[in-house]
Parts: sequence; structure tokens; C-alpha cells
Amino acid sequence: GQNIDQPTEMTATEGAIVQINCTYQTSGFNGLFWYQQHAGEAPTFLSYNVLDGLEEKGRFSSFLSRSKGYSYLLLKELQMKDSASYLCASMDSNYQLIWGAGTKLIIKP
Amino acid sequence: TAGITQAPTSQILAAGRSMTLRCTQDMRHNAMYWYRQDLGLGLRLIHYSNTAGTTGKGEVPDGYSVSRANTDDFPLTLASAVPSQTSVYFCASSRSPGDSPLHFGNGTRLTVT
Repeated sequence: GQNIDQPTEMTATEGAIVQINCTYQTSGFNGLFWYQQHAGEAPTFLSYNVLDGLEEKGRFSSFLSRSKGYSYLLLKELQMKDSASYLCASMDSNYQLIWGAGTKLIIKP
Repeated sequence: TAGITQAPTSQILAAGRSMTLRCTQDMRHNAMYWYRQDLGLGLRLIHYSNTAGTTGKGEVPDGYSVSRANTDDFPLTLASAVPSQTSVYFCASSRSPGDSPLHFGNGTRLTVT
């Protein structure tokens, strides 16, 4: 079956660094996506990885290991506005997205 | 501002009634999608359309129908609502099937009583 696993909730301190992990099992693989979703709002795109390695985009970085079926999202210099849910999604061989349940990130001052 | 518009924002619906959730995009995207989002679960695909005039079933299509008469509009209809259809519904689009990223509307919060 197809499955995406990520932690339900994480807590971090303003100014710190946090890593949100995601493991995936999908039928085929056409990329790994991270989206941010603030409470009551729509998901917005953060990053896309299809090759192994680290993609850096400002304070946010995303890593992929295809052999391990593993990705993480790294958030640096955390700000209160980073409090949100972070959704991991894998695109399968039919180009359909399989979504994780999301990780709720709580930032404390 | 270009994007996806969903209506209504929220709705309370009596079980057994029908309802159409509206979705319009002005980005000339070919592919459109309907998802539902429930607490503790990932987004689940209800129906999709790869291009105007075609539709397909997603992971959870039962109880829902869609149409794609033109590029811009992709309405979702519940013919006879049941309480298990209480959810937040998101419409999304992409330039082409499998293209990234997805652009989402702001969602419709539906409560079926």
C-alpha cells in the first residue's frame, strides 16, 4: 500500500532550528513535496525534491533520500509566523499526490 | 489577483439535501482537483480533471460528482449529503496533470447535520 508517515506535532523555540521528518512508501516515485498550511487556510507550496540531496531556499531546506524513502524539512531561525502544519506528499507513478496527515509545528517564544 | 475561488466559505447542510461546491480558477490551468481534509488524515483526492471535458475518480469518490464544462470551472456536487461528508473541501489546480506545484483555493467548510 501507499503510506506517508510524519510526526503529528512538534514544538520548538523562536530563533531555533527544527527538522520535520517524513517517510514514504508509494507505487513509483515522481517527487516529494512539502506544503505549509496555517490554521484555517489553504496549503501553500514550499519545496519539491526529486533527486537525492538538499535543496535550500532561504530559511527553509528540504532533503531527500530516495533509497531510504525519507525526506526532511529543515526550518532555521524560527519565527512565530512559522507556527503552522507542514504537509509531506509523495507523487506516485500515476502522478497522483499521496499526502501525509501533516505535522503541527508549535513555536514558543 | 489570479488564483482559485471557492464558494461558499462555509455551509451547514441537512442530511439528505443536495449541494454544489463551486470552484473557479483564472490561471488557465488544465488540471483541477477536489480534495477533502479531515482531522488526523492527509488530504484525500475525491475527483480530478486533467483537461476540460474529462473527469476521473480519486481515492474517495463515492457520494460525489463533478463536471468540467470549461477550463475555469470545476463544481463538486453532493447529491444526498450524509454526516460522514462533514469536512473541509479544497479545490486545487495545476498547469498540467502531475505538474507542480498545486494551487489551492481557500476551502469550503461543510457540516452535514
